[in-house]
Amino acid sequence: DTEVTQTPKHLVMGMTNKKSLKCEQHMGHRAMYWYKQKAKKPPELMFVYSYEKLSINESVPSRFSPECPNSSLLNLHLHALQPEDSALYLCASSQDRHRVNTNYGYTFGSGTRLTVV
Amino acid sequence: GEDVEQSLFLSVREGDSSVINCTYTDSSSTYLYWYKQEPGAGLQLLTYIFSNMDMKQDQRLTVLLNKKDKHLSLRIADTQTGDSAIYFCAESGGTDKLIFGTGTRLQVFP
Repeated sequence: DTEVTQTPKHLVMGMTNKKSLKCEQHMGHRAMYWYKQKAKKPPELMFVYSYEKLSINESVPSRFSPECPNSSLLNLHLHALQPEDSALYLCASSQDRHRVNTNYGYTFGSGTRLTVV
Repeated sequence: GEDVEQSLFLSVREGDSSVINCTYTDSSSTYLYWYKQEPGAGLQLLTYIFSNMDMKQDQRLTVLLNKKDKHLSLRIADTQTGDSAIYFCAESGGTDKLIFGTGTRLQVFP
């Protein structure tokens, strides 16, 4: 299995809703990432988990709450989002946070397209 | 700083070669990458180059690296309509995270 699987593919939520995005990989990667991508822009890093511990939070608002239940799963819990949070949310994994600087790079999922109404 | 710049748009005829350019600022990057993103999809790693290399060829793809000028290019030979997508270069920026370029939209017409 050489994929990163994200669910759901599409999500529409109201500003008072609570929802979660899910990401799964079975490549034995020990680093997992959440990126946010707005239309016609490059992905922007949100969070990095390394060996199931949060290692980087790029000053993301607290209405986004990441969780890494085990080495294969990464969740992003959403609460009280704003319309400007509408974007494509991408999950990625790599062998090791300290080995991202290798020819492995990241493996990306197909993303969840989130619309906040 | 960590700025990675690309031209926004490139249009080529099917069968011609495409050259997508990228300039970066962090000289400590060890690997540089090219990713492809089709509409509504995630990012697909196309190829990479190690910073002590000048050139790497992988089937229709050729990557050229000018480390002195911090310039990276991706050449796609015999461009096909299926190559139409957004192409991002990325560098490791000397840290643990990838810094993406602004992206180049490649349009291939018959």
